Amino acid sequence: DSGVTQTPKHLITATGQRVTLRCSPRSGDLSVYWYQQSLDQGLQFLIQYYNGEERAKGNILERFSAQQFPDLHSELNLSSLELGDSALYFCASSVKGTGDPQYFGPGTRLLVL
Amino acid sequence: GNSVTQMEGPVTLSEEAFLTINCTYTATGYPSLFWYVQYPGEGLQLLLKATKADDKGSNKGFEATYRKETTSFHLEKGSVQVSDSAVYFCALIEGGSYIPTFGRGTSLIVHP
Repeated sequence: DSGVTQTPKHLITATGQRVTLRCSPRSGDLSVYWYQQSLDQGLQFLIQYYNGEERAKGNILERFSAQQFPDLHSELNLSSLELGDSALYFCASSVKGTGDPQYFGPGTRLLVL
Repeated sequence: GNSVTQMEGPVTLSEEAFLTINCTYTATGYPSLFWYVQYPGEGLQLLLKATKADDKGSNKGFEATYRKETTSFHLEKGSVQVSDSAVYFCALIEGGSYIPTFGRGTSLIVHP
């Protein structure tokens, strides 16, 4: 158990819909990362937050957005969903977010029908 | 930009065989290097890390040495077990950068 929790574990929705994925980091970790894992693209870094502020952006679509709240939990919002958005979405946390190891949650499996 | 290249899988071995999974990287600075492991149905777990040249990371019988001259961080284990079957990811984060770079992962299958 990494100490990172993600909800929900599974999500099935339809094209065009909007969903919110939630992540609670390990106690004491200030940085949260979001990743998308699919068979064809591998593990793609989406975005990182540190202590409530956006710190780095990766391959995140404009239809996707995220935020980190004062209690340090984070949410990833996916809108106008397409079939190709079906994937595993992982959250990870680390203490500083600058080269220190990341601790991954169990992931949310999203299926868009 | 930074990149991490891992050997294509799957790697299929018999129990007690020697394991090597190759990882090479490109980076403009001096990155920290990591190996993560993902067991079926789970998230990634940190396996080992090295933060500077010639450092050796080790954990659970796995080892990897940070080789700056060859820009490599190959993962090795002397005797694999069936329970080592998983996907292994090599990754880097450059000092002062916040963007992690992962390889595509190498699947390891160990037969009894």
